Amino acid sequence: ETGVTQTPRHLVMGMTNKKSLKCEQHLGHNAMYWYKQSAKKPLELMFVYSLEERVENNSVPSRFSPECPNSSHLFLHLHTLQPEDSALYLCASSQADRGINEQFFGPGTRLTVL
Amino acid sequence: AQTVTQSQPEMSVQEAETVTLSCTYDTSESDYYLFWYKQPPSRQMILVIRQEAYKQQNATENRFSVNFQKAAKSFSLKISDSQLGDAAMYFCAYRSAEAGNQFYFGTGTSLTVIP
Repeated sequence: ETGVTQTPRHLVMGMTNKKSLKCEQHLGHNAMYWYKQSAKKPLELMFVYSLEERVENNSVPSRFSPECPNSSHLFLHLHTLQPEDSALYLCASSQADRGINEQFFGPGTRLTVL
Repeated sequence: AQTVTQSQPEMSVQEAETVTLSCTYDTSESDYYLFWYKQPPSRQMILVIRQEAYKQQNATENRFSVNFQKAAKSFSLKISDSQLGDAAMYFCAYRSAEAGNQFYFGTGTSLTVIP
């Protein structure tokens, strides 16, 4: 197991629900990421937080709202999602300075939108 | 933006045999890092091997090795003596050496190991 945890592991929600995904890293990293993983598509980077400031957005729909209260915690708030938002949502962390610093991934949250 | 291409959506290998997964990338940078990640079914994505672009020597980790050809922008993964536990999705990833830069992932190769 890596030092990145995600909850819940599975989530089923209706299009009118509001839910949040949580990620926590215990590795002392200073950057955290949200990715969307859909079948047969590259990992889609949604948000990056480096030193608790958002540095990348990639034109993600506003129905996804990230929050990074500190360097160890990352949230993804969801509201009025669409069925095409069903996917595996992965959280990752890394050291965002020079050097061959790989990303460490959490187990993901499997999201189904009905 | 950099792009990473994995041209083999699916591969299979006989147990104990060797298989090579392909990865090419597009960049104008000279200093960067390359990674191979493994994602077993319903399990966490983990790092398999990594390579620094300024190092000519190919990285090796036990049964896993890479063939890094910088001029061709190619970074293939060779798995020797394949085991059933090697069955997984394999993702190639690129990251600039500059601080704070994001990772770029390929679409992945699904590897099946045949007993």
